[in-house]
Amino acid sequence: AQSVTQLDSQVPVFEEAPVELRCNYSSSVSVYLFWYVQYPNQGLQLLLKYLSGSTLVKGINGFEAEFNKSQTSFHLRKPSVHISDTAEYFCAVRRNQGGKLIFGQGTELSVKP
Amino acid sequence: ETGVTQSPTHLIKTRGQQVTLRCSSQSGHNTVSWYQQALGQGPQFIFQYYREEENGRGNFPPRFSGLQFPNYSSELNVNALELDDSALYLCASSPDTSSYNSPLHFGNGTRLTVT
Repeated sequence: AQSVTQLDSQVPVFEEAPVELRCNYSSSVSVYLFWYVQYPNQGLQLLLKYLSGSTLVKGINGFEAEFNKSQTSFHLRKPSVHISDTAEYFCAVRRNQGGKLIFGQGTELSVKP
Repeated sequence: ETGVTQSPTHLIKTRGQQVTLRCSSQSGHNTVSWYQQALGQGPQFIFQYYREEENGRGNFPPRFSGLQFPNYSSELNVNALELDDSALYLCASSPDTSSYNSPLHFGNGTRLTVT
């Protein structure tokens, strides 16, 4: 069975500072990896995904993530955050094509001026 | 291009009642999945429909049921509501379940409160 652990439930950071949101997964098979963002009272929006190939994945809004197979991690990073990045971020895995997404518990990113 | 729309946006029901939530998938998408997101938690997979057939189900009891219609819209039905069913219910559609590259497009959800 697969599982996803987001190591930080809350991450406060000042505007223009760098941020890293940590995600570890466990799976006995190859998986596809995703990061989603959820703004208040909204659904989930895909930030980026890793399917295969280069382990550094770039997404929308200046976010990027690095897949590390040996450490089973998929941490999300942004070099300089904005107030508008304040939201809940979810890491998710998908075992096979068309399969269900398994989400972590979420990390609340709070960007302060 | 019309995105995934869900209705209603908010709903209040009493324990023991039944509820139906609706979802219109994005144009061209034939696969719909439903997720339950309890407060402070990540979404949990309920089930998925592909071309009107259920083709995957999470760890939810049978009182959670669904339908997909020929136009690929979908309903989630929950019978005998319990207090723990209070959550945000998210619908997601994708263009083709057979493609690993199929992204999921989420609606804004229906907030269900059971009192």
